Amino acid sequence: SQQGEEDPQALSIQEGENATMNCSYKTSINNLQWYRQNSGRGLVHLILIRSNEREKHSGRLRVTLDTSKKSSSLLITASRAADTASYFCATATSNDYKLSFGAGTTVTVRA
Amino acid sequence: GAGVSQSPRYKVTKRGQDVALRCDPISGHVSLYWYRQALGQGPEFLTYFNYEAQQDKSGLPNDRFSAERPEGSISTLTIQRTEQRDSAMYRCASSAHPSDEQYFGPGTRLTVT
Repeated sequence: SQQGEEDPQALSIQEGENATMNCSYKTSINNLQWYRQNSGRGLVHLILIRSNEREKHSGRLRVTLDTSKKSSSLLITASRAADTASYFCATATSNDYKLSFGAGTTVTVRA
Repeated sequence: GAGVSQSPRYKVTKRGQDVALRCDPISGHVSLYWYRQALGQGPEFLTYFNYEAQQDKSGLPNDRFSAERPEGSISTLTIQRTEQRDSAMYRCASSAHPSDEQYFGPGTRLTVT
C-alpha cells in the first residue's frame, strides 16, 4: 500500500510562476524524499529531508516537513518549461528503509 | 561517476517463460532495492538487500518472484512462469547506506505477451 499522497493530482502554471505541491503520510518516518519523473522516464532524486529537519533548499527547490501534521511540501520557484514532470514524494520508516510512494503530482509549465 | 544501470532496458517475453532482470548499483552502495511501477502510479516496493543479505521481501507478489545479490553488488530479479499481469516497469535503486538517498536506474520495461 502507498503511504504518501500528493496533492494536487495535477497543476498547470505559467512559466515564471511558483508551484507548490503537498504530500501527506500516515506513519512515523525516518526520512522523506522527493523525486521528479519526466514522461514516464527515469526517477530523478531531488531532495531528502530527515525527520529532525524542518526545511531544505536545493537551487529553486524548497522542501518543508511538518512531522506533527505528517506532511511535506515541495515548492518550485520561478518555474521553467523543463520543470514539466510528475513529482513524487516517498517516505521511509526507521524500521526499514524501503520507500513508499504516492501517486504523484503532474506539473505542467506553460510557456 | 556511473549511476545505477539496469539490463535489459526492454524485455518482451511470452507467457510462461522465465525472465531475469539485472541491476548494477552505484559502486560501493550498501543497499539495493527493487520496485515495480505501473503506468501513472508511483513505484511499489518489491524487495531490498543490505550487502548480500535480503532484508525484506515482503513486496514480492508471489513465489514466482525471487531476487539475489550473491556478492553484495549486482542483483538479479527473476520472474518464473511469467504472466501478463507481470508486465510493468521494474526499477532498481541503490543507496550508500540504508537511510540515505535512493538513486534509481533507468528501469526495465517488461512486456509479457
